[in-house]
Amino acid sequence: KAGVTQTPRYLIKTRGQQVTLSCSPISGHRSVSWYQQTPGQGLQFLFEYFSETQRNKGNFPGRFSGRQFSNSRSEMNVSTLELGDSALYLCASSTGTGQGYNEQFFGPGTRLTVL
Amino acid sequence: AQKVTQAQTEISVVEKEDVTLDCVYETRDTTYYLFWYKQPPSGELVFLIRRNSFDEQNEISGRYSWNFQKSTSSFNFTITASQVVDSAVYFCALSESNSGYSTLTFGKGTMLLVSP
Repeated sequence: KAGVTQTPRYLIKTRGQQVTLSCSPISGHRSVSWYQQTPGQGLQFLFEYFSETQRNKGNFPGRFSGRQFSNSRSEMNVSTLELGDSALYLCASSTGTGQGYNEQFFGPGTRLTVL
Repeated sequence: AQKVTQAQTEISVVEKEDVTLDCVYETRDTTYYLFWYKQPPSGELVFLIRRNSFDEQNEISGRYSWNFQKSTSSFNFTITASQVVDSAVYFCALSESNSGYSTLTFGKGTMLLVSP
């Protein structure tokens, strides 16, 4: 079974630009969660999508948004990039059925550098 | 609000030493799960162990063992006979029932360096 894939793996942008990151979950998984990892703040939850609906949201500004498609693939978008958005963005997928814990499987991440 | 604290930022040991990584958590939920993840330099988070709030039985799995104590809100992780390949950042995490277990709250991580 293929794992979680994220594209691109590396990205360099300049301040003020916008960026879109993509995550393809494990086949059959309907939940996709996004996390931001920075040296200062560590790993922080951004949002979770389940069946094309945002189910949970972390404490991030509105510049961070996401969506999920009918095939469960998810994209996250960051508009008006700031230097502080430089981070490793990780996505995780799970079945998301909510009956107890559903194990999350993480992708390799997208490393975004904002210059 | 939920919180996970890993007080040790970096630990250095020599191969074959045992090492314990500390984790203290805060939650108002009565039902939750605790985890340990490993992040090697490649960046991908690797799941190691999971424990739910109803099961305080401590176990050993290969070279890994954990000590879960609800009375002190601690979930410590021990690697026995450490190896160079164990060098990585280790994260403790919490998932609560009130979020449908769909979010993970991570500690800041402990970098483990195992030298030959």
